[in-house]
Amino acid sequence: GAGVSQSPSNKVTEKGKDVELRCDPISGHTALYWYRQSLGQGLEFLIYFQGNSAPDKSGLPSDRFSAERTGGSVSTLTIQRTQQEDSAVYLCASSTRTVNQPQHFGDGTRLSIL
Amino acid sequence: QKEVEQNSGPLSVPEGAIASLNCTYSDRGSQSFFWYRQYSGKSPELIMSIYSNGDKEDGRFTAQLNKASQYVSLLIRDSQPSDSATYLCAVSGLDYGGSQGNLIFGKGTKLSVKP
Repeated sequence: GAGVSQSPSNKVTEKGKDVELRCDPISGHTALYWYRQSLGQGLEFLIYFQGNSAPDKSGLPSDRFSAERTGGSVSTLTIQRTQQEDSAVYLCASSTRTVNQPQHFGDGTRLSIL
Repeated sequence: QKEVEQNSGPLSVPEGAIASLNCTYSDRGSQSFFWYRQYSGKSPELIMSIYSNGDKEDGRFTAQLNKASQYVSLLIRDSQPSDSATYLCAVSGLDYGGSQGNLIFGKGTKLSVKP
């Protein structure tokens, strides 16, 4: 079946602009996660959604970052007033539920801030 | 602070050898353990899950879990150059990161299999 879909695959933008990254999880997966991975670094947790519960935003690095999930499916990660340090690959993952289940990753969005 | 530790490597093994990748975790309450493979420029791909003490085999891969020692490992038999990648250990359990069930990832071990 279809995996986690992310768009765009690449995004280049100027410093100070806002960007939106989209994630469409695997059908039926109720949990959705966003991570950031800078070049040569590990995964940095950003935010996760589980069903209709309030999202866990504990990993968001600043108030320029926000995310929403509409209808329990598609999610959008928004970065306002982008900075060069925001350049990274943004990965989305989904799972059937949060406890004890593996996460399945999309191909990511490579974000470059000029 | 809950942590998952891996040797960053690089771990270099000759083709056909057994590659042994190790991971330790800090929280005794951890319940689920996963190994992901990440090729350069690609996203992580799940290769093994293990939930109980002992060994779990899947093809050339064997995951080993020892909860008493808080240790999980991945063995790759008959290593191939195509196995060259970074291997991420991930651990899930109550109270990790304040988010029930959220995975905590190690920083990964880079494996290089030489022909």
